[in-house]
Amino acid sequence: KQEVTQIPAALSVPEGENLVLNCSFTDSAIYNLQWFRQDPGKGLTSLLLIQSSQREQTSGRLNASLDKSSGRSTLYIAASQPGDSATYLCAVEDSSYKLIFGSGTRLLVRP
Amino acid sequence: ETGVTQTPRHLVMGMTNKKSLKCEQHLGHNAMYWYKQSAKKPLELMFVYNFKEQTENNSVPSRFSPECPNSSHLFLHLHTLQPEDSALYLCASSPGTSGAGEQYFGPGTRLTVT
Repeated sequence: KQEVTQIPAALSVPEGENLVLNCSFTDSAIYNLQWFRQDPGKGLTSLLLIQSSQREQTSGRLNASLDKSSGRSTLYIAASQPGDSATYLCAVEDSSYKLIFGSGTRLLVRP
Repeated sequence: ETGVTQTPRHLVMGMTNKKSLKCEQHLGHNAMYWYKQSAKKPLELMFVYNFKEQTENNSVPSRFSPECPNSSHLFLHLHTLQPEDSALYLCASSPGTSGAGEQYFGPGTRLTVT
């Protein structure tokens, strides 16, 4: 059974810092991995999708990497801003085409 | 409107009530999903519909009854719910269900069962 773990559960950093969020999964048989952002009480916004054949994807200040063989992904946020404060969710699409989510990392960027 | 919309945004209901959640997608997608997000638990997939046909029921209790009249609309009918069913219910859509596609989420309905 696929399980997704995100570390840390919460993170507080001063504005301007570069930071890394971690995601690990137990079964390497995945189709893709997605990183989402969720603001309090809101739905999810897709940030980056990495296909299983890819190693990384970039969008602006965000860079996500995927190491399928070791079951790991990282989301790198450069020059963090207070507006980046949110919960970041990692999800893998497993062999039965279902999205399996981690519990998320709550990020607070302090001005 | 664009994207995925959900109504109502907030709902409070008693355990004997019957209510429905509505989801509509304006993206031309063929697949739609219901997820449940409880406090301190990961998002849980509830149902999947592809071309109006239910392809996944993730062992959801029968007090939750989905309906998909067409590829753009998805409903979740609720009856005799329990307080532990209080959660954020999220709808999503994707081009198809067979991998490699992003899922787009609605804003959710915050449900409180009293």
